[in-house]
Amino acid sequence: QSVLTQPPSVSGAPGQRVTISCTGNSTNIGAGYDVHWYQQFPGTAPKLIIFAFTNRPLGVPERFSGSKSGTSASLAISGLQAEDEAEYYCQSYDNSLTVFGTGTRVTVL
Amino acid sequence: QVQLVESGGGVVQPGRSLRLSCAASGFTFRNFGMHWVRQAPGKGLEWVAVIWYDGSEQSYVESVKGRFTVSRDNSKNTVDLLMNSLRVEDTAVYYCARDSGFYGAGTLDNWGQGNLVAVSS
Repeated sequence: QSVLTQPPSVSGAPGQRVTISCTGNSTNIGAGYDVHWYQQFPGTAPKLIIFAFTNRPLGVPERFSGSKSGTSASLAISGLQAEDEAEYYCQSYDNSLTVFGTGTRVTVL
Repeated sequence: QVQLVESGGGVVQPGRSLRLSCAASGFTFRNFGMHWVRQAPGKGLEWVAVIWYDGSEQSYVESVKGRFTVSRDNSKNTVDLLMNSLRVEDTAVYYCARDSGFYGAGTLDNWGQGNLVAVSS
């Protein structure tokens, strides 16, 4: 069981905004460690889409954004598109080890 | 561009050993920590191990401690994962990934394509 909890699934119609939460505690996000987000399509490797809570790597669309609040982080997808249908994982650091969130399936209705 | 290519996966019986290798190119390998991450069929990502840029430190998830060993050869730009005493629950796609920094405490900014390890009798 991961120390970073995400909702199993979220869904939205094309053009809508969806958010995915990543809930941690005082030993990871609350301890000041960064949160990063990855997108994964079936049968492919994960891809980094947000690093250090709010930063987008080159080439990642602006509709992806991240935020932090206390011991949680969030990923928002604005203007949802069919191609955004994928699995999303948060990642941080806990007790000197890398940890991933439980993962969230995003479905475009 | 950054490339990470894993090799060495396959089917193995419980209790046996297997070595995965990851060949890196397109960046100065000796300047980056390297991770191994796995994903069991239909499951989420699980971090497995990390090795510092110079190979001086390694860390492991509790479930593989004492069975798995991560190593690197900065002269050949490779990182290996030696897996001993394999269990059925080690069945997964194994990814190598580059850390954004020296010590493996950053983001995993580039990933290999993954390599399937199936432990079955």
